[in-house]
Amino acid sequence: GAGVSQSPSNKVTEKGKDVELRCDPISGHTALYWYRQRLGQGLEFLIYFQGNSAPDKSGLPSDRFSAERTGESVSTLTIQRTQQEDSAVYLCASCSLTGGTEAFFGQGTRLTVV
Amino acid sequence: GENVEQHPSTLSVQEGDSAVIKCTYSDSASNYFPWYKQELGKGPQLIIDIRSNVGEKKDQRIAVTLNKTAKHFSLHITETQPEDSAVYFCAGGGGYNKLIFGAGTRLAVHP
Repeated sequence: GAGVSQSPSNKVTEKGKDVELRCDPISGHTALYWYRQRLGQGLEFLIYFQGNSAPDKSGLPSDRFSAERTGESVSTLTIQRTQQEDSAVYLCASCSLTGGTEAFFGQGTRLTVV
Repeated sequence: GENVEQHPSTLSVQEGDSAVIKCTYSDSASNYFPWYKQELGKGPQLIIDIRSNVGEKKDQRIAVTLNKTAKHFSLHITETQPEDSAVYFCAGGGGYNKLIFGAGTRLAVHP
């Protein structure tokens, strides 16, 4: 596709359930980021991938959060045993190099934990 | 750790006036400072960026200035229009490996 694609666009889940959020970056982009945006708030860094490895996962809020990337392409963010405070928009961005170039964002996945 | 602070959090101007948003960063190794605009229900989109070897950059009604010594950079929008209303985010300060964003500025341009 022409841009960064995220799925699903919306997800409602019950507290305690696991969820998987998917990001398809722009083809050829080596760097991939995940951010969390709570309602009316800024972009909270979660994790960054360079290729398939994650040199910086310092933003993951707890061990319930994990992410992986395969084939230097698709990335999945998994939240286990979801809590209400996990409700937010999860944004993925990709860029062709680490830093120094434009990061293109997807439309985000709006997660609601009820 | 790395930190980017952004001010003001909200800004209200009359159409035609100028708007200025300011950011400071903590990591002296930072060399890339983009500005993003986010409209309701959409992902952020890059509007302008500046690198550490440049002090100012302009693109039509938008300009960005960078002061590396003071570790701050600013976004200037002139002749504001209602369609400029959005949330603006600065980023940088994270060194070469990641982008750290400011908390955002909600700009409202009133006709």
